[in-house]
Amino acid sequence: ETGVTQTPRHLVMGMTNKKSLKCEQHLGHNAMYWYKQSAKKPLELMFVYSLEERVENNSVPSRFSPECPNSSHLFLHLHTLQPEDSALYLCASSQALAGYEQFFGPGTRLTVL
Amino acid sequence: AQTVTQSQPEMSVQEAETVTLSCTYDTSESDYYLFWYKQPPSRQMILVIRQEAYKQQNATENRFSVNFQKAAKSFSLKISDSQLGDAAMYFCAYRTYYSGGSNYKLTFGKGTLLTVNP
Repeated sequence: ETGVTQTPRHLVMGMTNKKSLKCEQHLGHNAMYWYKQSAKKPLELMFVYSLEERVENNSVPSRFSPECPNSSHLFLHLHTLQPEDSALYLCASSQALAGYEQFFGPGTRLTVL
Repeated sequence: AQTVTQSQPEMSVQEAETVTLSCTYDTSESDYYLFWYKQPPSRQMILVIRQEAYKQQNATENRFSVNFQKAAKSFSLKISDSQLGDAAMYFCAYRTYYSGGSNYKLTFGKGTLLTVNP
């Protein structure tokens, strides 16, 4: 595997389900990001981690819970989501937090029924 | 706060022709970075080109070039000799230059969907 990978690529869940999105970067980077991409809206930064510490929580509802166990892996735990949470969730990584290019994964297409 | 506006939700171009995608932004800062990202259908977003605001020379990457007008706060992307593989959503993005604070944050526009017709 190379670059940034995300699993699953597609996820359908009910509002009462609990699921997790996984992101893995194979670039030796130290910073990782979660973005939400909704139709006809700009990408929204959700969470940022640097050296496994969260440095940004962009007013994201608590039904989204991130986890960064090491610098290569990032998870987004989902529970009791709403239909408006349906979107493409993108993970990205960068060499360090400040001033470096972000490399994106292919995303997880989430549908909440 | 900075904002990025892409006024063209969709554009189309004939293969081998040239197309220009528009982007304007609003900022009170004098130093910053501007980017164009490409997101093909069901594939990951990749960086196409980057411009530092302190550089007067427009950035160029092969068939991709920008027209950076700092005073007008305009940053358009020109794609020459368009190819079928150029079909994608294109996002313009802004990032502050200054160290400290939130200089990792990218502010994106809503995107322009480019169709390339054979």
